[in-house]
Amino acid sequence: KQEVTQIPAALSVPEGENLVLNCSFTDSAIYNLQWFRQDPGKGLTSLLLIQSSQREQTSGRLNASLDKSSGRSTLYIAASQPGDSATYLCAVSPLGSSNTGKLIFGQGTTLQVKP
Amino acid sequence: GAGVSQSPRYKVAKRGQDVALRCDPISGHVSLFWYQQALGQGPEFLTYFQNEAQLDKSGLPSDRFFAERPEGSVSTLKIQRTQQEDSAVYLCASSLRQGGVYGYTFGSGTRLTVV
Repeated sequence: KQEVTQIPAALSVPEGENLVLNCSFTDSAIYNLQWFRQDPGKGLTSLLLIQSSQREQTSGRLNASLDKSSGRSTLYIAASQPGDSATYLCAVSPLGSSNTGKLIFGQGTTLQVKP
Repeated sequence: GAGVSQSPRYKVAKRGQDVALRCDPISGHVSLFWYQQALGQGPEFLTYFQNEAQLDKSGLPSDRFFAERPEGSVSTLKIQRTQQEDSAVYLCASSLRQGGVYGYTFGSGTRLTVV
């Protein structure tokens, strides 16, 4: 059974710091991996999607890497800002579900960036 | 519409009451997903529709949970005889094609509280 783990559960950093969020998954047979952002009381916003054949994706100050063989992904946030404060969720789409696209989520990392 | 719309935003139900949660996906989106998110946890998959066909309902926790999408657009998640453990945020997501290859758009969710 695929399990997704995110470390740390919570993180507090001063503004301007670069930071790394970690995600690990137990079964390397995945279709893709995604990082989402969730603000309190809101739905999920997709940040980056990495297909299983890719190693990384970048969007602005965000960079996500994928090492499928070791079951790890990292989300790197450069020059953090208070507006980055949110919960970040990692999710994988198991290979057998490629025709449905269902996601298995981690528990999330709650980030607070202090001004 | 421009996004995925869910209603109601909040629902308080007495234990044993039946509830119906509505999801309006983005027009033209083939795939529709329901997820359950308990407090402090990541979302957990409930069920998947491709147009009007329910292709995966493996995540529904009991036979008290029922979902439908009769015309391939609006979907309703029904919970019969609600229990306290059903208290959670119910998220709906839609995707343009099957498999979520083009990404997902999530609604803001319905927060269900069973008292």
